[in-house]
Amino acid sequence: EAQVTQNPRYLITVTGKKLTVTCSQNMNHEYMSWYRQDPGLGLRQIYYSMNVEVTDKGDVPEGYKVSRKEKRNFPLILESPSPNQTSLYFCASSTPGDRYNEQFFGPGTRLTVL
Amino acid sequence: GDSVTQMEGPVTLSEEAFLTINCTYTATGYPSLFWYVQYPGEGLQLLLKATKADDKGSNKGFEATYRKETTSFHLEKGSVQVSDSAVYFCALPSNTGKLIFGQGTTLQVKP
Repeated sequence: EAQVTQNPRYLITVTGKKLTVTCSQNMNHEYMSWYRQDPGLGLRQIYYSMNVEVTDKGDVPEGYKVSRKEKRNFPLILESPSPNQTSLYFCASSTPGDRYNEQFFGPGTRLTVL
Repeated sequence: GDSVTQMEGPVTLSEEAFLTINCTYTATGYPSLFWYVQYPGEGLQLLLKATKADDKGSNKGFEATYRKETTSFHLEKGSVQVSDSAVYFCALPSNTGKLIFGQGTTLQVKP
């Protein structure tokens, strides 16, 4: 089954404790990205990657890091989480050459930073 | 820059009522347009799409027509069900591949 998986689905942590949210896709997509969803603000892109070893900032990259060492994986790293990073996070992937540019989303990771 | 504006919710309807969720966009050129749906506790799923002017996307009884003259892509369904209760997002792709979303419209359908 074609899918995007994220782990963990739920995470409660404390300020300053480094964490990683994993994302993996099995569709051989070149393009992957991370969004956060906040009430009243909709979905905003954090980082994206056009291919292996190619990453770039989205609209709200502060406080986050990413890496793309393999095509299928795109982990999101919070080196020192703060309460304002409490949010619902989604990973997405697509094939940029697809004229529809449809993106496939993971199930989401709900993060709470105390 | 490119943007998407959706009607604010929440929208509360009775089962079998007619649904319209308005979406207008600002974009350079004529991008594809999408409606995504987010059911409670789940990720976003593509509901329907249109790739050029006057295209009509449809799925699960929902329809939306790409109107270039009014820069709109309104979502409609003739008879909603309780199972349609969800958050609906209108979106268009940017040239970096990012999806530009509207704010989302929450739909609640009551029996």
